[in-house]
Amino acid sequence: SQQGEEDPQALSIQEGENATMNCSYKTSINNLQWYRQNSGRGLVHLILIRSNEREKHSGRLRVTLDTSKKSSSLLITASRAADTASYFCATAPRESNYQLIWGAGTKLIIKP
Amino acid sequence: SQTIHQWPATLVQPVGSPLSLECTVEGTSNPNLYWYRQAAGRGLQLLFYSVGIGQISSEVPQNLSASRPQDRQFILSSKKLLLSDSGFYLCAWSVTLGTGGKYGYTFGSGTRLTVV
Repeated sequence: SQQGEEDPQALSIQEGENATMNCSYKTSINNLQWYRQNSGRGLVHLILIRSNEREKHSGRLRVTLDTSKKSSSLLITASRAADTASYFCATAPRESNYQLIWGAGTKLIIKP
Repeated sequence: SQTIHQWPATLVQPVGSPLSLECTVEGTSNPNLYWYRQAAGRGLQLLFYSVGIGQISSEVPQNLSASRPQDRQFILSSKKLLLSDSGFYLCAWSVTLGTGGKYGYTFGSGTRLTVV
């Protein structure tokens, strides 16, 4: 079953603006991961945040995790045209050690 | 460095024909391997995973099967394709089963399968 739910489903912003995507989940997790998928390509791992962490940074990416609200956000600062892609969150549930649970993704379009 | 190869990139097959998609990993030993299917505009559905040679676990009943004849080779097969088998198939590997560990999953570039 699908646990992660991304919000919004689609986002279109101007180059240079910040993009924020949200992910909500239902059960307790070990970690939450964000991936990027360019059209027709495989997914690329962006960042992993553990359940005992609240915030992580990687370059222009900032991820927050609120386990009390069962939600996470991905912020991309100073967006570029190359950031146009779909972004997926995946959760590693505590009760299941063998698979990630994936959301349906947010489609991000950066307008030049 | 670790790389993952998946082929072919696109495939158009008639209903009832067999299928064989191949995935190989380089630069690591005893990887955990996964086959996923992605429907258009949707997230990923886990089809199979493997923790070692000859060890296959299936997540959903389906018309597909998987095999792992070598440590770094993972094959997705079907004897007779159905229209509903169309989709985008992704192979992935991870160091740690399930959670992906520190570096998450590494994905292949995917195969777009169209059954006609």
